Amino acid sequence: GNSVTQMEGPVTLSEEAFLTINCTYTATGYPSLFWYVQYPGEGLQLLLKATKADDKGSNKGFEATYRKETTSFHLEKGSVQVSDSAVYFCALRVSNSNSGYALNFGKGTSLLVTP
Amino acid sequence: GAVVSQHPSWVICKSGTSVKIECRSLDFQATTMFWYRQFPKQSLMLMATSNEGSKATYEQGVEKDKFLINHASLTLSTLTVTSAHPEDSSFYICSAKDRGRFNEQFFGPGTRLTVL
Repeated sequence: GNSVTQMEGPVTLSEEAFLTINCTYTATGYPSLFWYVQYPGEGLQLLLKATKADDKGSNKGFEATYRKETTSFHLEKGSVQVSDSAVYFCALRVSNSNSGYALNFGKGTSLLVTP
Repeated sequence: GAVVSQHPSWVICKSGTSVKIECRSLDFQATTMFWYRQFPKQSLMLMATSNEGSKATYEQGVEKDKFLINHASLTLSTLTVTSAHPEDSSFYICSAKDRGRFNEQFFGPGTRLTVL
């Protein structure tokens, strides 16, 4: 089946520190991979995505590269800010006749950035 | 941008009552909406796929008679938790797929259900 495993949090970093949140997946077929972010009190927002192997998604200073050989999609940011404090979800999507474009999510990683 | 709303944002009800949660796409039409359930410190679990004008497709283990889904229009899907029990207490999140934006899903803010 399809599943996503991401590192457990919470992750606490000082402002301007380097961030890595690990994400690995198992999937039948060729998945698209996503990172979503959930700020306190808000809905999930798409942060970045990659649809095929070796693609790099990037947005707001965050990056993730689709690594088929290691089935990974690790999220990185060179210098985090307090405003990046949120919960980050790794997800995959494999289109099939049953669930269409439904997403499989990891458990989420809470990030707290302190001044 | 694409906005999805949910109503109510939180609800407390007595055991045995039914609760309806609405999910609306405010500025786009969504032929497909999804309902997820999220437990504390857990992942979002897909409950069902809601298709406009047809029956919902439920994931394995989700009771269709307990979680009634109606997708009556291109901008509205409802989830009704019937005869709610304390174990149904959870965070329910909907998302709507926008065909005009490469099938990207846009998520509502969620509804916190507490059954006493």
